[in-house]
Amino acid sequence: GAVVSQHPSWVICKSGTSVKIECRSLDFQATTMFWYRQFPKQSLMLMATSNEGSKATYEQGVEKDKFLINHASLTLSTLTVTSAHPEDSSFYICSALGSYSGDNEQFFGPGTRLTVL
Amino acid sequence: AQSVSQHNHHVILSEAASLELGCNYSYGGTVNLFWYVQYPGQHLQLLLKYFSGDPLVKGIKGFEAEFIKSKFSFNLRKPSVQWSDTAEYFCAVNTNAGKSTFGDGTTLTVKP
Repeated sequence: GAVVSQHPSWVICKSGTSVKIECRSLDFQATTMFWYRQFPKQSLMLMATSNEGSKATYEQGVEKDKFLINHASLTLSTLTVTSAHPEDSSFYICSALGSYSGDNEQFFGPGTRLTVL
Repeated sequence: AQSVSQHNHHVILSEAASLELGCNYSYGGTVNLFWYVQYPGQHLQLLLKYFSGDPLVKGIKGFEAEFIKSKFSFNLRKPSVQWSDTAEYFCAVNTNAGKSTFGDGTTLTVKP
């Protein structure tokens, strides 16, 4: 089946630094990728929709200058958390929608746990 | 905007008991419906999905769900749960834009 990978799976950084998270569709081309955030014991909250070759669309309340999204190719989207603070600590999950899935089915990556000290 | 409501936050069952998890959505147009499972420490996996056709959908691991359009519901069922079904279950809805909205999730604990 379709596989989506994320790298790194776990990252710890100091407050004020930036962290880049990669999301790759391994065996299909993803025209659209989604970035979610999940707090412990809570649901996934959509942060932004990323379309290849165009600017990401951010959900209400998500700071686009803080969470930079780049979808440079059909198999790669990156999320950069800029000037990270402890409140940005969370589980970030990407999903991909594309030629493999057909009917609006998303395939999820394993997630990246970010801890900001 | 679409929204998803899962009625049960935490369900505790004994092995072999039957399971039904409620999911209601609000959206006036055509929707696609999904149930995902997240086992402890693992990523989301698709249990089953409904796009069109037979409203009774069968998924993996013996799960099924019924889409009742008049009730805007998509409840998940399993006739006999196992200890290994202990996990978090999420109902999700998406529209033609492909953007999914998730419910708050239901934690299922199955006692051996």
